[in-house]
Amino acid sequence: NAGVTQTPKFRVLKTGQSMTLLCAQDMNHEYMYWYRQDPGMGLRLIHYSVGEGTTAKGEVPDGYNVSRLKKQNFLLGLESAAPSQTSVYFCASSYSKRRGSLTGANVLTFGAGSRLTVL
Amino acid sequence: GDSVTQMEGPVTLSEEAFLTINCTYTATGYPSLFWYVQYPGEGLQLLLKATKADDKGSNKGFEATYRKETTSFHLEKGSVQVSDSAVYFCAPSNRDDKIIFGKGTRLHILP
Repeated sequence: NAGVTQTPKFRVLKTGQSMTLLCAQDMNHEYMYWYRQDPGMGLRLIHYSVGEGTTAKGEVPDGYNVSRLKKQNFLLGLESAAPSQTSVYFCASSYSKRRGSLTGANVLTFGAGSRLTVL
Repeated sequence: GDSVTQMEGPVTLSEEAFLTINCTYTATGYPSLFWYVQYPGEGLQLLLKATKADDKGSNKGFEATYRKETTSFHLEKGSVQVSDSAVYFCAPSNRDDKIIFGKGTRLHILP
């Protein structure tokens, strides 16, 4: 059982380049999330999706785009990378409320992270 | 908007010491409350959770009680081990499915 898999694990970009981070989950989860982790800032939510074909903005969405064309995949794109986007990116997924706990959201399963450096 | 405040780290303790990591939150509605742990070089994983007032979540010797009246969910452990060294995140979660994390508290346990 692979859980949540992120690719690539490491990437170095030059300012202005574009790239896509791929998140894949094999647990049939409805919800998927992208976070970034920076020293002293904790985890901040970039975008999330509550189902195939849907996306929503989180706390820090500027400079990123996402797509959820298939239920198992959630892509995070950087169209024109900036040094401020140097970070560790984490993908997570969970069941929907209907299949999980009765109140609030459900338990997140995280990927191992993708370290991105923008020069 | 929703927010969470954790005690600032790093927290350094000797092995077998008592641990408390404070967490208070503001959230709309009646959130579920979670503690996640991140070991070095890994993603976060669930440590424990509580879904209603006065519930106590527990796992691996850690405990936290949902205190609705003080909007708190403090993490405690009676006797820490070196293997507990990690970063701990408090996370309230409300009905709109956005899960907001605190800044994390780094814990160092000395042998």
